[in-house]
Amino acid sequence: SQQGEEDPQALSIQEGENATMNCSYKTSINNLQWYRQNSGRGLVHLILIRSNEREKHSGRLRVTLDTSKKSSSLLITASRAADTASYFCAGGSGNTGKLIFGQGTTLQVKP
Amino acid sequence: EPEVTQTPSHQVTQMGQEVILRCVPISNHLYFYWYRQILGQKVEFLVSFYNNEISEKSEIFDDQFSVERPDGSNFTLKIRSTKLEDSAMYFCASSFRLAGGETQYFGPGTRLLVL
Repeated sequence: SQQGEEDPQALSIQEGENATMNCSYKTSINNLQWYRQNSGRGLVHLILIRSNEREKHSGRLRVTLDTSKKSSSLLITASRAADTASYFCAGGSGNTGKLIFGQGTTLQVKP
Repeated sequence: EPEVTQTPSHQVTQMGQEVILRCVPISNHLYFYWYRQILGQKVEFLVSFYNNEISEKSEIFDDQFSVERPDGSNFTLKIRSTKLEDSAMYFCASSFRLAGGETQYFGPGTRLLVL
């Protein structure tokens, strides 16, 4: 599999529940970024975690990074219908800033 | 809040024609990127650009593609002779620096359809 593989591919939950998405990667990274994409629209940056960090919070978002397992997770707490979107992880490495994206998780939050 | 802008939002072209996609990165950013997303697939890196030079390009970025920063604000992607498989959403992104990893801010994208 390629850098930045996410699971699950699709997730459907009820409003108010928590949503957890996982991402695995192959090569070394110096940061991992999570993005959100509403259907057919642009990419909105959510959070960045550096390789020397293990956990980061931003509002209802919590990201973890385990470099020994080459994996990251994104937790959205108390989900809302407006959180319905696709979520992508992207690993940054090297000296050029290139991001390698995963396939994404499609999240549906039912009101 | 500063944002990356892209024009046009949609472009339809005939196979073999040249297209130029335009981007205005965030004004104090130094690093610029193009990515593309074929419908239903993941976002793919095309090229990174710094100090008026390509710093890295992917296998997708062949001789048909070129990038330019013609002035202090615009960053363009040119596809010389479009193919059907170039149909995709093209995203421009920019970041201020690289050290330690830096957030890349993406534009809204240009949807290119090659007929």
